[in-house]
Amino acid sequence: QVQLQESGPGMVKPSETLSLTCTVSGGSLRNNYWSWIRQPPGKGLEWIGYVYSSGSTNYNPSLKSRVTISLGTSRNQFFLTMRSVTAADTAVYYCARHPGYADSWGPGTPVTVSS
Amino acid sequence: EIVLTQSPATLSLSPGDRATLSCRASQSVNSGYLAWYQQKPGQAPRLLIYGVSARATGVPDRFSGSGSGTDFTLTISGLEPEDFAVYYCQQYSGSPWTFGQGTKVEI
Repeated sequence: QVQLQESGPGMVKPSETLSLTCTVSGGSLRNNYWSWIRQPPGKGLEWIGYVYSSGSTNYNPSLKSRVTISLGTSRNQFFLTMRSVTAADTAVYYCARHPGYADSWGPGTPVTVSS
Repeated sequence: EIVLTQSPATLSLSPGDRATLSCRASQSVNSGYLAWYQQKPGQAPRLLIYGVSARATGVPDRFSGSGSGTDFTLTISGLEPEDFAVYYCQQYSGSPWTFGQGTKVEI
């Protein structure tokens, strides 16, 4: 059973860059889609984008100009980089195995954007 | 973008009741690419249903999904205490993948 774990800073200042890591254990990144999904406090879920095991990506147009999702080079990891964050980016960020439907999720990591 | 609208926003029921949750899409969801998730407070969502009606591993058979085109339903036949949660639908027919706003099933 694959397991995912998010990691990164819990707080980021406005206009700065948010960087998160997802570490996958119990399986390989091979031949699958890996997404980042977020949930603002008290609100619903928003798909940010995915990276396929080949390195190809697809992003939500609403975030595409600020987001990069990439694969790690030597470990079972993939990454989220979000530039120029604002308070509206405050959320719990989840990574997930996501071949269309997200069948494995990390526990989530809360990120607060505040000065 | 395919917009998913879930109704009702809140469903107030008792253990043992049957719950019927609706998810309506702004355009046709092709090939049945629709999933349902359950989320409890402080937890990550859990996949319940994919491909409209296929139950994920370990999901009890009291959960069932149905529908086609633009109208989809999640039915919970005989609510158990652990089923009180928020439920989301999600389509993966078109990009961007989108979620509904959720239905809260409460006691």
